[in-house]
Amino acid sequence: AQSVSQHNHHVILSEAASLELGCNYSYGGTVNLFWYVQYPGQHLQLLLKYFSGDPLVKGIKGFEAEFIKSKFSFNLRKPSVQWSDTAEYFCAVKGWEGGADGLTFGKGTHLIIQP
Amino acid sequence: DAGITQSPRHKVTETGTPVTLRCHQTENHRYMYWYRQDPGHGLRLIHYSYGVKDTDKGEVSDGYSVSRSKTEDFLLTLESATSSQTSVYFCAIRDDQNYEQYFGPGTRLTVT
Repeated sequence: AQSVSQHNHHVILSEAASLELGCNYSYGGTVNLFWYVQYPGQHLQLLLKYFSGDPLVKGIKGFEAEFIKSKFSFNLRKPSVQWSDTAEYFCAVKGWEGGADGLTFGKGTHLIIQP
Repeated sequence: DAGITQSPRHKVTETGTPVTLRCHQTENHRYMYWYRQDPGHGLRLIHYSYGVKDTDKGEVSDGYSVSRSKTEDFLLTLESATSSQTSVYFCAIRDDQNYEQYFGPGTRLTVT
């Protein structure tokens, strides 16, 4: 079965600091990869996605992620965070060779940005 | 906004009672999903549907059933609620052109 690991469960940063959130998945076949963000009290919103092509993908709000196939990783980055980035971030994977339809999510990273 | 609504948004129920949660979409998507979100677990897939009357199980389907009699509605039923089913339930739809999923606002269910 596929799984997703997010290494940092809680991250606290100051405004303007750089951000990198780790995500590794276990799945040997073709994958689609996603990062979702959940602001306090809200539903999940798609930040960015990787389907194919350029492994460096850019999303909304200045976020980007890099797919490194050899490392089974899809880390999320932002060069300079803002207080409004305080939220929970989820990495998710869709594997295309067997198993139930639907996304497999990591356990999430709770990001707090201090002003 | 993917045109997804969930009802009720909040519910408190007692152990052993049946509960049905409703997901409604307005954009005629074929695929619909139910996930539960619990602290320390992220989101986990309960059931999904790939068309009217076509459903299948996800990772945590025990204790849940689903029905889809119309394209726009996907119902999740807890036949006999237990305290372990206290959670936030999210419905999602899938873009038919790619695999992007869009989530509803969620239902917070408390089983006492």
